[in-house]
Amino acid sequence: EPEVTQTPSHQVTQMGQEVILRCVPISNHLYFYWYRQILGQKVEFLVSFYNNEISEKSEIFDDQFSVERPDGSNFTLKIRSTKLEDSAMYFCASEGTTNYGYTFGSGTRLTVV
Amino acid sequence: AQSVTQLDSQVPVFEEAPVELRCNYSSSVSVYLFWYVQYPNQGLQLLLKYLSGSTLVKGINGFEAEFNKSQTSFHLRKPSVHISDTAEYFCAVSAQGGSEKLVFGKGTKLTVNP
Repeated sequence: EPEVTQTPSHQVTQMGQEVILRCVPISNHLYFYWYRQILGQKVEFLVSFYNNEISEKSEIFDDQFSVERPDGSNFTLKIRSTKLEDSAMYFCASEGTTNYGYTFGSGTRLTVV
Repeated sequence: AQSVTQLDSQVPVFEEAPVELRCNYSSSVSVYLFWYVQYPNQGLQLLLKYLSGSTLVKGINGFEAEFNKSQTSFHLRKPSVHISDTAEYFCAVSAQGGSEKLVFGKGTKLTVNP
């Protein structure tokens, strides 16, 4: 079964550093998403991406965040200057056009120290 | 805007007992409904979804859910649980149409005891 692949599985970074979280969506999917889950809390929408541009973003997705699909296969989330409160599990997801319901990756656990 | 309420944060049950995990939603537009499962240290796996048609939806691992529009509910059920069903279960809603963001509930931790 096709999978969404996320790397790395765990990243530790110092406060103020830039991080890039990487995702390889399912190859024929057209819609891409990032969600995050702070420990013990619910999964929250960050951003959706279609046709090489952001479709929708949440209040959490401020100027520190950016997304990119640089080469037609990878989908990245960049956090420019990490804060302690950015520590969370970040999930990438993709969706096709004929079978509603995302496929999520296994997540990247980001720890900001 | 949509919202989801999962009424029980934790549900302990014994193996082979039936279980129901409750989910209520609120929305001003028609919605699609989903249940996801998260096993420890893993990602989110789609259990089942309601898009349209029959209100009783069957999913993987013997789970089913029933959409009740009048009660704005989408409760998840399994007639006989196994130890391996121990996980966190998330109800989610999106506006109809596809490629819409998901709004999640806070999750229900199901613990199956021997």
